[in-house]
Amino acid sequence: AQRVTQVQPTGSSQWGEEVTLDCSYETSEYFYRIFWYRQLFSGEMVFLIYQPSFDTQNQRSGRYSVVFQKSFKSISLVISASQPEDSGTYFCALSEPLAQGLTFGLGTRVSVFP
Amino acid sequence: NSKVIQTPRYLVKGQGQKAKMRCIPEKGHPVVFWYQQNKNNEFKFLINFQNQEVLQQIDMTEKRFSAECPSNSPCSLEIQSSEAGDSALYLCASSRDWGVATGQLYFGEGSKLTVL
Repeated sequence: AQRVTQVQPTGSSQWGEEVTLDCSYETSEYFYRIFWYRQLFSGEMVFLIYQPSFDTQNQRSGRYSVVFQKSFKSISLVISASQPEDSGTYFCALSEPLAQGLTFGLGTRVSVFP
Repeated sequence: NSKVIQTPRYLVKGQGQKAKMRCIPEKGHPVVFWYQQNKNNEFKFLINFQNQEVLQQIDMTEKRFSAECPSNSPCSLEIQSSEAGDSALYLCASSRDWGVATGQLYFGEGSKLTVL
């Protein structure tokens, strides 16, 4: 069973629209982090933003922000004013203490059209 | 642009052949991870190192996989006898820390292995 679930396999947007990508996860840890990455067509994974579990404030970084619902173990990535260069596959990933790095979801492929 | 350098970008091997991939982590990052990403976007953790020491590894697929991170040399991942199911993108990532919670991973562009 997937411990990090991204239910939207694909998504599309028009230039300038807001895009919301959903992620849910399973963990019994008190302290953990959720990361969002975008994978470029080249294969490179680009870090976007992360949310630590202990911080109740939703994180923001440029056009990226998250909506963190800790009690529901869900987190959404919000991309404001989407642009064609935002196209790619977005991965949600869980980091737990002493784990084998990050546990990834299966990604959401986003296309932003001009 | 990625500061984790992976070579080669593409490998094509026949079944039973060796496949070797290299990774230079970002400067100052003592922790290195190898992941296998298949065509279904499933990420499989393979092994991680802190400096030259193995921290964790999976049962390396019937011992066909081996990896090392020697000092002053690139890290490497080698498949001794490639199988069709090994066809995947192999991603190397480095990090400043590991333990309490893995920090941000910095990824390379990956080495795409095709086993014919």
